[in-house]
Amino acid sequence: AQSVTQLGSHVSVSEGALVLLRCNYSSSVPPYLFWYVQYPNQGLQLLLKYTTGATLVKGINGFEAEFKKSETSFHLTKPSAHMSDAAEYFCAVSTQRRGGADGLTFGKGTHLIIQP
Amino acid sequence: GAGVSQSPSNKVTEKGKDVELRCDPISGHTALYWYRQSLGQGLEFLIYFQGNSAPDKSGLPSDRFSAERTGGSVSTLTIQRTQQEDSAVYLCASSLGTRGFDTQYFGPGTRLTVL
Repeated sequence: AQSVTQLGSHVSVSEGALVLLRCNYSSSVPPYLFWYVQYPNQGLQLLLKYTTGATLVKGINGFEAEFKKSETSFHLTKPSAHMSDAAEYFCAVSTQRRGGADGLTFGKGTHLIIQP
Repeated sequence: GAGVSQSPSNKVTEKGKDVELRCDPISGHTALYWYRQSLGQGLEFLIYFQGNSAPDKSGLPSDRFSAERTGGSVSTLTIQRTQQEDSAVYLCASSLGTRGFDTQYFGPGTRLTVL
């Protein structure tokens, strides 16, 4: 079984400040980790994902995340927040099951608020 | 190219009625997934299809829920005898392959309201 914990249902930062959204996972096998963003009344859009190899992953819109196995974490960061970053962010984990794909297990989400 | 599309975008129904939700995946994508998003439960995985077959249906909330996929393309999620707790946004996603690291591309969802 796998699970995802996102610390902080709401995070508020000032425009231009560092964005840090926390994600911790639990998995009995090597995980694949994802960050998705959801704008109001829209579906989810992939920001970035970790599969294997380099632990620092760069995504779209200036976001990046680092996979830390020892801490079972995959925190999302962006050096300078922009008003357009205001949205709901979801961390998710997947594993490779025998026979094929697995559904994503999502965290509860973090609502990012950008203060002008 | 076109993304994942879902119809209808909104559905309001009365308790006890049956509803059908449709998903058109990205052309050529082998895998198709259904999720439910609600305030209380967050994002829940319901079922996935590999081609036309669904290897694991254990994520479906009850036997009132069923899903099928035909021709390796369009999928329908059917909810029979709807209940108020079925109110949620139903999201569909597709991926090119069926490996755990394949990116899932999501549609805009169908908002279901059961009165």
